[in-house]
Amino acid sequence: GAGVSQSPRYKVTKRGQDVALRCDPISGHVSLYWYRQALGQGPEFLTYFNYEAQQDKSGLPNDRFSAERPEGSISTLTIQRTEQRDSAMYRCASSLAAGGNQPQHFGDGTRLSIL
Amino acid sequence: GNSVTQMEGPVTLSEEAFLTINCTYTATGYPSLFWYVQYPGEGLQLLLKATKADDKGSNKGFEATYRKETTSFHLEKGSVQVSDSAVYFCALSDRGDDKIIFGKGTRLHILP
Repeated sequence: GAGVSQSPRYKVTKRGQDVALRCDPISGHVSLYWYRQALGQGPEFLTYFNYEAQQDKSGLPNDRFSAERPEGSISTLTIQRTEQRDSAMYRCASSLAAGGNQPQHFGDGTRLSIL
Repeated sequence: GNSVTQMEGPVTLSEEAFLTINCTYTATGYPSLFWYVQYPGEGLQLLLKATKADDKGSNKGFEATYRKETTSFHLEKGSVQVSDSAVYFCALSDRGDDKIIFGKGTRLHILP
């Protein structure tokens, strides 16, 4: 399909393990965003990229969280030494260009559960 | 900082009823405003948007008007359908800042 693709859809792992979540944006979209959504809450911004450059990482909760987009397309969000409080839905979005007027198109998300 | 407040759910209505979901915002600049919808089992979809004061966004029978004087962006629909059952998120994006700030979401149940 032509939408934003995230993998895996579900990830269950033990506390202390590292996890890597993948996002494949819509082809040609310049901007890519990561959000985290706790149950019963709205998505909260984590970080975003224009092309391969990370423009804003102010939403990353601590240094266990990192993200990259080395070739300006696919992005990986990595969580090291996972904790139970990291359990959430992680959502990726992409937009055609930078700027607050451009709509962001969301993937179906990765539901992460830390045991 | 910027924030969005929307009415808590769940909201339960009968089919063909009139819908209003209230949303107010706090922003330092002149944000763009959005309503996103999440249908059961699906991802977030943009429902409608407005980028400046007095703009009206509309889609699928839903409307919302950007009211700067009351800092509001209430979502309305004249006659809801069972298929409108979903979670609705009000959101904003400040100009020059790409991140979207979402409200907590309002779950809507439409009864046949």
